[in-house]
Amino acid sequence: DIVMTQSPDSLVVSLGERATINCKSSQSVLYSSNNKNCLAWYQQKPGQPPELLFYWASTREFGVPERFSGSGSGTDFTLTISSLQAEDVAVYFCQQYCATPLTFGGGTKVEIK
Amino acid sequence: DVQLVQSGAEVKKPGESLKISCKASGYSFTSNYIAWVREMPGKGLEWMGIIYPGDSQTRYSPSFQGQVTISVDKSITTSYLQWSSLKASDTAMYYCARSSSVLDGYDWFDSWGQGTLVTVSS
Repeated sequence: DIVMTQSPDSLVVSLGERATINCKSSQSVLYSSNNKNCLAWYQQKPGQPPELLFYWASTREFGVPERFSGSGSGTDFTLTISSLQAEDVAVYFCQQYCATPLTFGGGTKVEIK
Repeated sequence: DVQLVQSGAEVKKPGESLKISCKASGYSFTSNYIAWVREMPGKGLEWMGIIYPGDSQTRYSPSFQGQVTISVDKSITTSYLQWSSLKASDTAMYYCARSSSVLDGYDWFDSWGQGTLVTVSS
């Protein structure tokens, strides 16, 4: 199985400051057919199901604010919130879909300082 | 709007059977795979398997093969997750999710149900 490791486990950031979440896969998730990375990011607010933020590592889902960005390639990926807002308090997960079983990172909890 | 509405919370005893549901609406049900995902406290998200409503083809994670059954009734646009004999370790939140279905079911999930909490306790 491809193991997805997120860091940090939790993050406390002031309003308006940058939040950076890392996700590392145990093997490359580069999809050779289109040279894109099989990596998605989700946001899960308290008491709610996850919501898709990005797929193909950096393709923003419709409606996701531009302060969110996804980057990275191969085995190392980053989710960045450029200016943290109160409504961004959530747990963020990465997921690879290059290989079965599909696997998720353990999650990063983002809180406001 | 795409909607996945799951059945309500369940409290069961070990050894009992259970079937939970996920009702889809707002899109062509037979066009997208439906996945089931387990969330256990402190253990993150685990992909259990997928089903293609068009032909009911299922694929399971090795961790869940033989432990659960995923099915679908396309006449009522509903997918099911069932257990024949629950264990305490099945206590978790279970989500259904619609696969984008770009990569034949092994994809990202673009819509999620609200979750069904299953508690198994004697």
